[in-house]
Formats: sequence, structure tokens, C-alpha cells
Amino acid sequence: ETGVTQSPTHLIKTRGQQVTLRCSSQSGHNTVSWYQQALGQGPQFIFQYYREEENGRGNFPPRFSGLQFPNYSSELNVNALELDDSALYLCASMPEPYNSPLHFGNGTRLTVT
Amino acid sequence: AQKVTQAQTEISVVEKEDVTLDCVYETRDTTYYLFWYKQPPSGELVFLIRRNSFDEQNEISGRYSWNFQKSTSSFNFTITASQVVDSAVYFCALSELMNYGGSQGNLIFGKGTKLSVKP
Repeated sequence: ETGVTQSPTHLIKTRGQQVTLRCSSQSGHNTVSWYQQALGQGPQFIFQYYREEENGRGNFPPRFSGLQFPNYSSELNVNALELDDSALYLCASMPEPYNSPLHFGNGTRLTVT
Repeated sequence: AQKVTQAQTEISVVEKEDVTLDCVYETRDTTYYLFWYKQPPSGELVFLIRRNSFDEQNEISGRYSWNFQKSTSSFNFTITASQVVDSAVYFCALSELMNYGGSQGNLIFGKGTKLSVKP
């Protein structure tokens, strides 16, 4: 058990729509990262939040945005969905003082049709 | 630029065989972390090991062992006496090592090696 819970498990959306994915981390995990994993590929870093501020971003367009809340939950929002956004989205968190590896959730499988 | 290469896309072995998963990395950083994660069909990434660039000692944990060689930029993973439950996709990953000793949440992953262990 990693203590990281993601919802929903699966989601089907239509191209052009918007989607919100949710993640709940353990108490004290002030850093949360989001990853996109396309089929047959390794996870790719989208962005990272620390104490509700974005403090790192990968090579993803601005239509990928996030929020982190004081209760250790977070959201990944994707606007104007494209077919290539179909992937497994993984949330991961770690506690301070950072001397701990990332703990990943089970992911949300997003299908865009 | 940072990069992780896992040249073996798929490996199939019979139970009780030993198997080695290869990982080669590229980084300009002098300090960094290396990781191995296991991803079973359920999807979550299960942490197996983290190694920092200062520590080249090999590590053994039960049937698992890791060989870190900075001279060849490799961090290989060996499973001894494989079991059916070892079937999964295994990822090697790299991250920068911050000066306070922690690791950032930005991991660079390889494409993974799918291991199938047959009874």
C-alpha cells in the first residue's frame, strides 16, 4: 500500500472535452507529481507541486494544468482533449524532507475518442 | 540531456531461471539518483530500489540484486530463481540529486522491459 489513491480508475472522453483527474496522498506528503504513460512507454513527467505551488514542469502544453490542496489532495486538468492524450495518468507523492522515493498510485486510464 | 535506455523490450524465461534486466543512463549531472520500479498489470509503480551516484556498492535484497557501474553508466537488475509473480514491466529511472540529499519528483524513465516468467 502506497497511500496514494487515484480516481476514477477509468474514463472515456470525447476529443475537445475537458477532464479532471484526482489524487489523494498521505498526510505529510507535500510534494505531488503527475506522469503520463502512453501504451508501451515509460511514464513522462507532466509537473510537480509543492505546498500548492507548481515547482517543476515537463514538456507538456499549458492545457495540462494542476492544483494541489492543503488536505494533500490534488487534481490534473486537461483541456481541449486530443486523441494522443489517451494514456495512463499516474500520481505520485513524497514526504518532506525529500529523502524518500516517490510513491505512486494505481493510475487513471483515460481514453479519448 | 538526461536519458535512460532499456534495450530489452521483452524477456521470457522459465521459472527458476536467473534473469538480468539492463539499464544504461546518460546525464551531465555529477550527482544523481537511479531507481528501479516494477509495474504489474494492475498499473501502479512499485518502488524497488534507489541508489545515489556516490554509492557504487552492489546491493542484494532476497532474490533481487543490483549492479551499479559508473564507468559504463549502467545500473543492471538481476532476479535470481525467477518466479511467476515476477512477471511485470520493470522500469529504470534517473533523477537529479538535490544538495540536501533528497530527490526531486521529476524522474526520467526508460521505456521498460516486460518480463514474462512461465511456469
